Amino acid sequence: GDSVTQMEGPVTLSEEACLTINCTYTATGYPSLFWYVQYPGEGLQLLLKATKADDKGSNKGFEATYRKETTSFHLEKGSVQVSDSAVYFCAPWDTGRRALTFGSGTRLQVQP
Amino acid sequence: DAGVTQSPTHLIKTRGQQVTLRCSPKSGHDTVSWYQQALGQGPQFIFQYYEEEERQRGNFPDRFSGHQFPNYSSELNVNALLLGDSALYLCASSLGTFTDTQYFGPGTRLTVL
Repeated sequence: GDSVTQMEGPVTLSEEACLTINCTYTATGYPSLFWYVQYPGEGLQLLLKATKADDKGSNKGFEATYRKETTSFHLEKGSVQVSDSAVYFCAPWDTGRRALTFGSGTRLQVQP
Repeated sequence: DAGVTQSPTHLIKTRGQQVTLRCSPKSGHDTVSWYQQALGQGPQFIFQYYEEEERQRGNFPDRFSGHQFPNYSSELNVNALLLGDSALYLCASSLGTFTDTQYFGPGTRLTVL
């Protein structure tokens, strides 16, 4: 089945630093790809998505590009804020199961 | 525009008991999926309901069952609770069983003692 590998956390950055969270996946075909964010004590919020190769998803200053050749979907932000502190999940859509496959998540801690 | 809602927020049960969790999908959505998120892990897919039938199922035992009502709301039932069932249970809704964009509720935290 599908699987996701995310960089281990926690990732600790100072405010206004650049962020990259790596994500690679294995999947059948070319599924839609998603990033979700989970703030402490909350459910998952959809952050961004991309549906085909070379698509760039973006939202709230975050970006990720669908790289078919490397089966990657790295999350980037040019300048992080304390309010970005959360756990970030990369998830390809499994078209067979009609469900998302999640990695173990990457915790981001942004210090003032 | 009402988002996905879940109840209760927290629940404490003992081993062997049964539990029912509830979910109301986002306005306009007709498909509900359930996920289990153990502490420190990513969510794992349990099953999906569409048109009041279970359409897809993940790798969970049949102690886990569900139901969808005509108004699209859904219940997750877990029988014979085990300590390992302690987790955050997340409901996600979408429009259509094949739609890949899902919106999650805040979750129900189940603790089994």
